Amino acid sequence: GQQVMQIPQYQHVQEGEDFTTYCNSSTTLSNIQWYKQRPGGHPVFLIQLVKSGEVKKQKRLTFQFGEAKKNSSLHITATQTTDVGTYFCAPSSYGKLTFGQGTILTVHP
Amino acid sequence: GAVVSQHPSRVICKSGTSVKIECRSLDFQATTMFWYRQFPKQSLMLMATSNEGSKATYEQGVEKDKFLINHASLTLSTLTVTSAHPEDSSFYICSAGGETQYFGPGTRLLVL
Repeated sequence: GQQVMQIPQYQHVQEGEDFTTYCNSSTTLSNIQWYKQRPGGHPVFLIQLVKSGEVKKQKRLTFQFGEAKKNSSLHITATQTTDVGTYFCAPSSYGKLTFGQGTILTVHP
Repeated sequence: GAVVSQHPSRVICKSGTSVKIECRSLDFQATTMFWYRQFPKQSLMLMATSNEGSKATYEQGVEKDKFLINHASLTLSTLTVTSAHPEDSSFYICSAGGETQYFGPGTRLLVL
């Protein structure tokens, strides 16, 4: 499967600060999906990116897919305590997901 | 979105026993379901692809005789951990869907 590396592994922010997690691949990806997993919960689908250079926004979340389709990022503006959890990127192949290591986000009130 | 359920949500068993975990798609049919395992503070690792009416496809390093998968209907896949050992203690999660995968709530297995 297509391997992806995610950085950072951990991120601690104060409420109101921004947060970014990066997902990198050595090979060109056909797509990338992002999931959020709350502590003790299961992954929840956030978005799928398919096109080169694609940018999608969901309220305070901005997702980008690199021009070469080898990297992606998730940016959260003005974090809230409800944003805590682990964010995973994962390329998908006919539903089969290869998860990155995830970035654990902690938001201090 | 679509709903996927899992049962049980948590199970404690003795070493050497077998445990069956069910994954159901409640409001859609799924010819393919996926089983993942997640150890504490780690990522999700795909174990196998469950195919309705045919044999499951296992990822490299996953013992097919230890993790038995049955996908007898379009809404149900089962994972049986046979002769469970403490190192099998983990969070087992299934998913189903198309391009968008919907995950079950997971099953926490503790083998004593």
